[in-house]
Formats: sequence, structure tokens, C-alpha cells
Amino acid sequence: GAGVSQTPSNKVTEKGKYVELRCDPISGHTALYWYRQSLGQGPEFLIYFQGTGAADDSGLPNDRFFAVRPEGSVSTLKIQRTERGDSAVYLCASSLGQLTDTQYFGPGTRLTVL
Amino acid sequence: RKEVEQDPGPFNVPEGATVAFNCTYSNSASQSFFWYRQDCRKEPKLLMSVYSSGNEDGRFTAQLNRASQYISLLIRDSKLSDSATYLCVVRGNSGNTPLVFGKGTRLSVIA
Repeated sequence: GAGVSQTPSNKVTEKGKYVELRCDPISGHTALYWYRQSLGQGPEFLIYFQGTGAADDSGLPNDRFFAVRPEGSVSTLKIQRTERGDSAVYLCASSLGQLTDTQYFGPGTRLTVL
Repeated sequence: RKEVEQDPGPFNVPEGATVAFNCTYSNSASQSFFWYRQDCRKEPKLLMSVYSSGNEDGRFTAQLNRASQYISLLIRDSKLSDSATYLCVVRGNSGNTPLVFGKGTRLSVIA
């Protein structure tokens, strides 16, 4: 079946601009996670949704970052007033939402802020 | 101190060699442990879960020592296709808590 998909695969923007990154989870997965991976680092947690609600947003670095999942499926990560330090690969993962379920990752969106 | 620490490598080994990676974690409440594999410019993929009793999947063996808060991965008879970054991952005491990743250990298997 189809895995997690993310669009766009690459995004180049200028400092100060607004960007939206989209994630389509595996069908039927109720849990959705956003992670950010900088060069040479492991992925770092940003936010987790269970259904439509953000169950844990403790990883969002500041109020320029926001994410939504209005219908409990597709999620959008929104970054306002982008900064060069936001450049990274943004990874989305989904799981069935039950205890010990495996998280499956999408291919990521590579964001470059010039 | 980082929550999950790994030697970043790189480990350069010849085909057929046995190689071991180690990882330590700081949160004693961690309940679930994993090794993920990440190829260059690709997403992480689950390699195997790690259990206290130790577990094996073909050429791969994972061990967990809760008392020392230490996780290991052993790869026997290395193949060229094993070249990748291996991420040590832990999760807290609730099933849907986010994964905490180490920086990864880079392995290059050389012909």
C-alpha cells in the first residue's frame, strides 16, 4: 500500500517568507508526527497529532512554527518569517496510534532558506 | 547531556566483517528501544526493535542493558548494502510519545 507522502520534496525560499509543508499519512493511521533533521543530526521531534488535535507540541522551536490537521488525515506544517536556521529536512511519520505501534516515515521535505 | 548518545563514526569495515555499534540513553523511564537505518538523503526506516532479552534478525543482533542504559547492534558478515547511518532510538513510557533519536553512526562497508 501507499506509504507516507510529503510535498514538496524540495523547497527553496528567501529569508522572511512563509512556507507550508504537507504530509499525507498512511491511510487509517490516527497518529501523525513531525520531525526536523539538520545536517549530521538525528531527527528531532516537533509536534504530534492524535486525530485532529495536537497532543504534544513541545518540540516546536518558537511561535513561527505551527501545524494543523483539520480532518485527522493530511497535516500541514507552517513556518512564518523563515530564517536561515530553519533550513533542514522536515520529516513526517504516522502510526496506527496504538501502544508500541511502529512509526513510518515519509521521504521528507528539504527546506532551504536563502 | 544528550538524551541518546552514539559514536558518529564513520566505521569503515571490509565486506564480511563483524561490526558493533553502541548507544547510551539518559532517561531511565524509557520503555521502547529501536534501531533505525537511514540511507543517504532518504528517510529513516525501522531496522529492528530491541528487547531486554536480546533479539536477532538474520545477521543483525540487538541487545538492551537497562541497568547500564545501554543498547547495542551487532552486524555479522557485513555486506556492501549495509552501508548506511544507524540511528539509535528510544521512546518514553507512553506508547505515543515521540521518538528520541541519536545522531546516528555512519557505516561504510568496503569491497
